[in-house]
Amino acid sequence: KNEVEQSPQNLTAQEGEFITINCSYSVGISALHWLQQHPGGGIVSLFMLSSGKKKHGRLIATINIQEKHSSLHITASHPRDSAVYICAVEFQGAQKLVFGQGTRLTINP
Amino acid sequence: KAGVTQTPRYLIKTRGQQVTLSCSPISGHRSVSWYQQTPGQGLQFLFEYFSETQRNKGNFPGRFSGRQFSNSRSEMNVSTLELGDSALYLCASSLGVSGSTDTQYFGPGTRLTVL
Repeated sequence: KNEVEQSPQNLTAQEGEFITINCSYSVGISALHWLQQHPGGGIVSLFMLSSGKKKHGRLIATINIQEKHSSLHITASHPRDSAVYICAVEFQGAQKLVFGQGTRLTINP
Repeated sequence: KAGVTQTPRYLIKTRGQQVTLSCSPISGHRSVSWYQQTPGQGLQFLFEYFSETQRNKGNFPGRFSGRQFSNSRSEMNVSTLELGDSALYLCASSLGVSGSTDTQYFGPGTRLTVL
């Protein structure tokens, strides 16, 4: 079965802390997406990865294809980073996204 | 460039009714995907349209249908509404030209409540 697991489900941290959110999947993929959803529902695509590592500002996404695992890191976290972060995977041959349950991140000032 | 727009933003219906939701993609995007988001099931893929053809479909009953017009605008329809259809319905557009998913640009969603 094609599954996507995220951890942790909830994460609370203090401003400035280094944040790591993890995503594991069950079988081979074509691509993995990290999404950010703010209260109110709007979703923003942060990264799309098929290998290696990508960086945008304070956000870094990595993927290990052999271990079927990806991480999203936030450096120098800020209260405005508070949101739900969602991992979504396109399994090989599927051409559609399967989503993790999301990680609710709260950064306290 | 204008973003993805969805109408209406909020909708209240009763069981048994039907509903039509609309999505206007970013100009130049030919792919529109629809998703359902509920607290229990999270985000789930409904279907994807590309150049007026349904290209992919998720595991939803036939009550859920959609279409895409020649200007890439898309509609989804849910017939014989059930309480469990209450959800946030999101559409996302992309260029859609590659064999796998492109970066998707999401609309603000339509929140449907079924009473």
